[in-house]
Amino acid sequence: QKEVEQDPGPLSVPEGAIVSLNCTYSNSAFQYFMWYRQYSRKGPELLMYTYSSGNKEDGRFTAQVDKSSKYISLFIRDSQPSDSATYLCAMSGDQTGANNLFFGTGTRLTVIP
Amino acid sequence: GAVVSQHPSWVICKSGTSVKIECRSLDFQATTMFWYRQFPKQSLMLMATSNEGSKATYEQGVEKDKFLINHASLTLSTLTVTSAHPEDSSFYICSARSLLAAYNEQFFGPGTRLTVL
Repeated sequence: QKEVEQDPGPLSVPEGAIVSLNCTYSNSAFQYFMWYRQYSRKGPELLMYTYSSGNKEDGRFTAQVDKSSKYISLFIRDSQPSDSATYLCAMSGDQTGANNLFFGTGTRLTVIP
Repeated sequence: GAVVSQHPSWVICKSGTSVKIECRSLDFQATTMFWYRQFPKQSLMLMATSNEGSKATYEQGVEKDKFLINHASLTLSTLTVTSAHPEDSSFYICSARSLLAAYNEQFFGPGTRLTVL
């Protein structure tokens, strides 16, 4: 079983739709949860970061973490064509230690104008 | 802030040659740099972790003699693919973690696309 599972998609939605992206994980030691956005042929860029359980909102993006279910989500409201990219979830178990990030496979999202 | 650059952005080489990829943190000092490989439509696969002034730690299955990593300073790490073969063709991405990072955030470079003929 992989440490982090993520549906690779692809996911196509019309402009303005609400998008829900999800990851599940198996390691209960994970405390830090991140969402990265990666445009084609580019490196990933950090979108959202959350610690432990709860919600975090930043503009049109909301990240949710449910540690009891080992499930994290990223919601995108009023989706735009510029949101078309691959979204990777990532998580780690230690704040400043040497623990690495564990990535999901990424979900490819296309927002259709 | 927190910009990471990679050079070159793409490279084509003949089988058997060696290729060096540079990763630089432009506006911060990086305690640790990471090298990833990404195949088409797949996620990032961590190859190795390097700390300035010490030997890199390689992930299982990654040949350390083939993928040479040097972390000469707090702002520069290099990955050399030695005796490259077509199966080494991939997208190589580095990331860097800041000395001042409050959590385990990694800042990624734009990637280097390697094609071995």
